[in-house]
Amino acid sequence: IAGITQAPTSQILAAGRRMTLRCTQDMRHNAMYWYRQDLGLGLRLIHYSNTAGTTGKGEVPDGYSVSRANTDDFPLTLASAVPSQTSVYFCASSENAEDEQFFGPGTRLTVL
Amino acid sequence: KNEVEQSPQNLTAQEGEFITINCSYSVGISALHWLQQHPGGGIVSLFMLSSGKKKHGRLIATINIQEKHSSLHITASHPRDSAVYICAPVVGNQFYFGTGTSLTVIP
Repeated sequence: IAGITQAPTSQILAAGRRMTLRCTQDMRHNAMYWYRQDLGLGLRLIHYSNTAGTTGKGEVPDGYSVSRANTDDFPLTLASAVPSQTSVYFCASSENAEDEQFFGPGTRLTVL
Repeated sequence: KNEVEQSPQNLTAQEGEFITINCSYSVGISALHWLQQHPGGGIVSLFMLSSGKKKHGRLIATINIQEKHSSLHITASHPRDSAVYICAPVVGNQFYFGTGTSLTVIP
């Protein structure tokens, strides 16, 4: 693995289903982030983690949860997906909070 | 809340032209991040700066913290520069992303 990866690349999901988006980085960065990007809007922060074992809520956290059991992984879970969660999701990491962020390739999620 | 405005929203240029993209924000910041989003969707970090100017190849970023303004310049633009350019002022550990400037460079 080089850098930051996300899986799946894309997913179509029925409303009400549970879904976990995966994010892994091999840069030993302390901070990790989940964003969603919707047409006409800038990247919006869903959740973040400044260090392993800690997480925080961003601008649009409702309907999402995260965990940070170790430095490398930062999964994002939609407990019961709704159509308004149709979006492109980007994971990012930085050495520390306030540092330059590096982005994964994104996951395109469609909730029907 | 930090209001972030980028201008222009859309820009079309001829290959070789000098391009300027502007970013204004409303609150005091510690740094500003410039990003490039390719047509395929991938996001690449270009610069992180807190004062003065930074240069990388044909790209130059400047910031005036007191005037709450940053600019991204592209010299000798090329069709491969076609992308969306996003500025993100940083307040504490919060990044506030603009909606981006869509640049198209025509051969």
